[in-house]
Amino acid sequence: GAGVSQSPSNKVTEKGKDVELRCDPISGHTALYWYRQRLGQGLEFLIYFQGNSAPDKSGLPSDRFSAERTGESVSTLTIQRTQQEDSAVYLCASSLVASGESQYFGPGTRLTVL
Amino acid sequence: SQQGEEDPQALSIQEGENATMNCSYKTSINNLQWYRQNSGRGLVHLILIRSNEREKHSGRLRVTLDTSKKSSSLLITASRAADTASYFCATDDSGSRLTFGEGTQLTVNP
Repeated sequence: GAGVSQSPSNKVTEKGKDVELRCDPISGHTALYWYRQRLGQGLEFLIYFQGNSAPDKSGLPSDRFSAERTGESVSTLTIQRTQQEDSAVYLCASSLVASGESQYFGPGTRLTVL
Repeated sequence: SQQGEEDPQALSIQEGENATMNCSYKTSINNLQWYRQNSGRGLVHLILIRSNEREKHSGRLRVTLDTSKKSSSLLITASRAADTASYFCATDDSGSRLTFGEGTQLTVNP
């Protein structure tokens, strides 16, 4: 079956602009996660959605970052007024349920802020 | 701070040799997972070991977990050039998120 997909695969933007990143999870997966990975580093947790529960936003680095999810499908991560330090690969993952299950990752969106 | 920390940071071996990577963590966990990442993009799930398990095998992969030492190891036997990648451990503390280490860069030379 189809895996997790993300778009765009690459995004170059100017400092101060807003960007939207999209994630399509695996069908039937109730949990969806966003992570950020800076060059040569591990993954940082950003936000997590589980069904209709309130999302866990504890990993968002600032109020410029927000994310939405429509039901148990598509999610968008929005970064407002982008800064150069936002440059990273943004990875989305989904799992069948939250906690205790393997997460399946998309290919990521490489964001470059000039 | 990072929950999982991999050791070594980089490992270079010859094809056919075994590769061992270690991961240490700080808090109690529900399970520990190992992932592979090629070329800095999407991660591929390799294996999940639960806190009540001590060893798990999948093909050429062997994972051990020692909860008393808060450590895990990933062994890749009979390595191939295609195994060249970054390997990450990630811990699940039942809080739903995964906490990743910085990764081990494995290079397998043909």
